[in-house]
Amino acid sequence: AQSVTQLDSQVPVFEEAPVELRCNYSSSVSVYLFWYVQYPNQGLQLLLKYLSGSTLVESINGFEAEFNKSQTSFHLRKPSVHISDTAEYFCAVSDHGGYQKVTFGTGTKLQVIP
Amino acid sequence: GAGVSQTPSNKVTEKGKYVELRCDPISGHTALYWYRQSLGQGPEFLIYFQGTGAADDSGLPNDRFFAVRPEGSVSTLKIQRTERGDSAVYLCASSQGGNNEQFFGPGTRLTVL
Repeated sequence: AQSVTQLDSQVPVFEEAPVELRCNYSSSVSVYLFWYVQYPNQGLQLLLKYLSGSTLVESINGFEAEFNKSQTSFHLRKPSVHISDTAEYFCAVSDHGGYQKVTFGTGTKLQVIP
Repeated sequence: GAGVSQTPSNKVTEKGKYVELRCDPISGHTALYWYRQSLGQGPEFLIYFQGTGAADDSGLPNDRFFAVRPEGSVSTLKIQRTERGDSAVYLCASSQGGNNEQFFGPGTRLTVL
C-alpha cells in the first residue's frame, strides 16, 4: 500500500518570500509523484508531476519539486510567492500499475500575506 | 464546456435517503474516476472505470455505494440509505486512457442531515 504525508496543514508566508511545502511518501514499488493545486472555489488542477528521468520538475508558474528517492520525499518549492499562489496544495502518489490509482495527502493550505 | 462537469453542485438530503451524483467526463476520455473528499482530508479513491466496466472498485466504502457508466461516457455514483458520515465533496476525474493526467471536475458537495 502507498501513503502520502504532508506534515504542514497550513503555511503562512509573506509575499515575495520563498516557500517549501513538504511531502513524504511510502510505497513498496516504483512510483509516480504529483502536486495538485486547488484554488478557492475551483477544482483540483495538476501543478507538476514526476514520472521518470530528471528528478527536478518544474511548473509553468515558477514552482519546482525534486524527487528524492533515498529520503522518499517530493517537496514543493517556490523562490518568491505571489498573492495568487494562495491555494491548497495536495501531494499525491501512484504506483507504476496499469492506471493511476492516486493516493493523496491531506493537503497544505498556503496563505500568502501581502 | 470542455472540462469535466458534475451535477448537482450541491445536494442536501436526509439520513436514509437515496442520492445520485452525475459526472460528465471530457469527450473522448476512456477512463473515469470517482473520489471522495471529506473535510480537512485529501481526495480518497473510490472507483475507476475503463470504458463501461469498473476496473477497480476497491475504494467503495461499503455496499451502499455503487457506480455505473453504461455507455462509457457519463457516470452516476449512487448512494443508498445515506448516513451523516457520507457528507463530503464527491469528485470525478477523467483521463485519456488509464495512465494519463486526470482532469478533475468541480465536485458535488453532499450534505446528509
